[in-house]
Amino acid sequence: GAVVSQHPSRVICKSGTSVKIECRSLDFQATTMFWYRQFPKQSLMLMATSNEGSKATYEQGVEKDKFLINHASLTLSTLTVTSAHPEDSSFYICSARTTGIIGYTFGSGTRLTVV
Amino acid sequence: QQQVKQSPQSLIVQKGGIPIINCAYENTAFDYFPWYQQFPGKGPALLIAIRPDVSEKKEGRFTISFNKSAKQFSLHIMDSQPGDSATYFCAASRNAGNMLTFGGGTRLMVKP
Repeated sequence: GAVVSQHPSRVICKSGTSVKIECRSLDFQATTMFWYRQFPKQSLMLMATSNEGSKATYEQGVEKDKFLINHASLTLSTLTVTSAHPEDSSFYICSARTTGIIGYTFGSGTRLTVV
Repeated sequence: QQQVKQSPQSLIVQKGGIPIINCAYENTAFDYFPWYQQFPGKGPALLIAIRPDVSEKKEGRFTISFNKSAKQFSLHIMDSQPGDSATYFCAASRNAGNMLTFGGGTRLMVKP
């Protein structure tokens, strides 16, 4: 089945630094990827939708200059949290869908802790 | 605006019981309704999904019931096991393939 690999699974960074999270589709081409944020005991909140080769579409309230998304190929999307602050600490999850499969495959998530 | 409302927020059942989780949606344009299972520290995994043209779908111990007129759908877990203890999310999307709107989640605990 479709597999999405997300890396790293955990990262701790200092305030003011940037962190990059990668999301790779291993056995299929992902024309569209989604990035979610999940706080403890809460649901997934969509941050942005990225389409290969074009600019990401951000949800209302998500700072595009802070959460940089790049989807340069059909198998890789990256989320960079710039100038991270403790309030950015959260669980970030990517998902991907393909042109031929109805459904979404999620990555295993990245636990970001900003100290 | 929460377009998919999920209940209950938490649920405790004994092993072998049948937990039922309910979701209601508002947008009649939704046409794809999946359920996801999420363990702590992991991403959601698709359990089962249904389209509005059927009223029920069963896969193994998991069953979705769908009521189009009431705009409601539910997940039943037959013969629940402690390993089913997880958080379950319902979701919906329009023109399957577009972004998912998630319910608030249900934390299920199955006691041995």
